[in-house]
Amino acid sequence: GQNIDQPTEMTATEGAIVQINCTYQTSGFNGLFWYQQHAGEAPTFLSYNVLDGLEEKGRFSSFLSRSKGYSYLLLKELQMKDSASYLCAVKDSNYQLIWGAGTKLIIKP
Amino acid sequence: IAGITQAPTSQILAAGRRMTLRCTQDMRHNAMYWYRQDLGLGLRLIHYSNTAGTTGKGEVPDGYSVSRANTDDFPLTLASAVPSQTSVYFCASSGQGDNTGELFFGEGSRLTVL
Repeated sequence: GQNIDQPTEMTATEGAIVQINCTYQTSGFNGLFWYQQHAGEAPTFLSYNVLDGLEEKGRFSSFLSRSKGYSYLLLKELQMKDSASYLCAVKDSNYQLIWGAGTKLIIKP
Repeated sequence: IAGITQAPTSQILAAGRRMTLRCTQDMRHNAMYWYRQDLGLGLRLIHYSNTAGTTGKGEVPDGYSVSRANTDDFPLTLASAVPSQTSVYFCASSGQGDNTGELFFGEGSRLTVL
C-alpha cells in the first residue's frame, strides 16, 4: 500500500530552527508537496520538490531524496505565527496526491 | 476576490437527511476535488473532476456523489447522511499549465451528522 509518515507533533522555541521529516512509500513519484494548515483554516501551498536537493523560499526550505523516499521541511527563525500543522503529500504514478496525517508544530516563546 | 468559495461553512443535520455542499471557483481551473479531513488522518479524496463534464471516484467515494456541469461549480451531495460522514470537507482546484499542480483550497465545510 501507499504510505506517508510524518511525526504527529513537534515543539520548538521562537527564533529557533525546526526540521519536519516526511518519509513515503508510493507507487511511483511525480513530486512532493508541503502545505501549511492553521487550526480551523484551509491548507495553503508551501513548496514543491520533484528533483533531489534543497529548495529555499525565504525562511522555509524543503529537501528531497527520491532514492531514500525522504523529504524534510526546514523552518528557520521561527515565529509564533508558524504554529500550524504541516502536511506532506506525494503525487503518485497516477498523478493522485497521497497525504500524510500532518505534523502539528507548537511554537513556544 | 479570486478563489474558491464553499457553503455552508458549518452544518448540523440528522442522519438520513440529504445534504449538498456547494463549491464555486472563479480561477477557471480545470481540475476540482473534494476531500474530507478527519483527526489523525491525512486528507482523503472523495471525488474529483479533471474537466467540466467528467468526474471520477477517489479513495472514499461511497455515500457521496458529485456533478460538474460547468467549469466553476462542483457540488458534493450526501444522499442519506450517516454519522461516519461527520467531518470537515474541503473543496480544492488546480489549474492547467502549472507543472506543480498546486492545489487551492476552499475554507472548508464542517459537517456534523447526528
